[in-house]
Amino acid sequence: EIVLTQSPATLSLSPGERGTLSCRASQSVGSYLAWYQHKPGQAPRLLIYDASNRATGIPARFSGTGSGTDFTLTVSSLEPEDFAVYYCQQRNTFGQGTRLEIK
Amino acid sequence: EVQLVQSGAEVKKPGESLKISCRGFGYSFTNYWIGWVRQVPGKGLEWMAIIYPRDFDTTYSPSFQGQVIISADKSITTAHLQWNSLKASDTAMYYCARAPKYGSSEGYFDYWGQGTLVTVSS
Repeated sequence: EIVLTQSPATLSLSPGERGTLSCRASQSVGSYLAWYQHKPGQAPRLLIYDASNRATGIPARFSGTGSGTDFTLTVSSLEPEDFAVYYCQQRNTFGQGTRLEIK
Repeated sequence: EVQLVQSGAEVKKPGESLKISCRGFGYSFTNYWIGWVRQVPGKGLEWMAIIYPRDFDTTYSPSFQGQVIISADKSITTAHLQWNSLKASDTAMYYCARAPKYGSSEGYFDYWGQGTLVTVSS
């Protein structure tokens, strides 16, 4: 079974800064990787699917890159509402999450 | 508008059975997969199981195989997750979610239910 490892576990940044989150797969998954944002008390929200496609209604400041085993979610300029936990997912597996917190 | 509406919070005792539900609205229920995801308090998301309501094709995570049962009722556009004998360790938030595609390599969730909190305590 594929293992997804996210880094860092916690990322402390200020609004306006650029956020870069990483997800590494234990074996190649092609481009089949999704990213989600999860805030307390809310359902997770799909941001990116198939590594680089933004989901409906997702702002352009969110972008996904990568293929094979290494993937990146980038938030170009952090807004206050972007501070949350982010998960990558491939088929039956989620990564352990990256907490993006306000510095 | 696509919506997944889940049943309400449950409080149960160890050993009891439970069936929670997830009703789909605003889309063709039999054309999409429905999965369940667990979040234990303070922990991350865990993929549990998925079902294709058109032909009831199901897949379970090895971690949850034999622990839960996923089912679907096309006539009421509803998916279910059930336990025959709950444990305290089943205490968690359970989300249902829709998957446009699911295959040997792919599968992601584009719409999510609001979550059902299950508390198991003696």
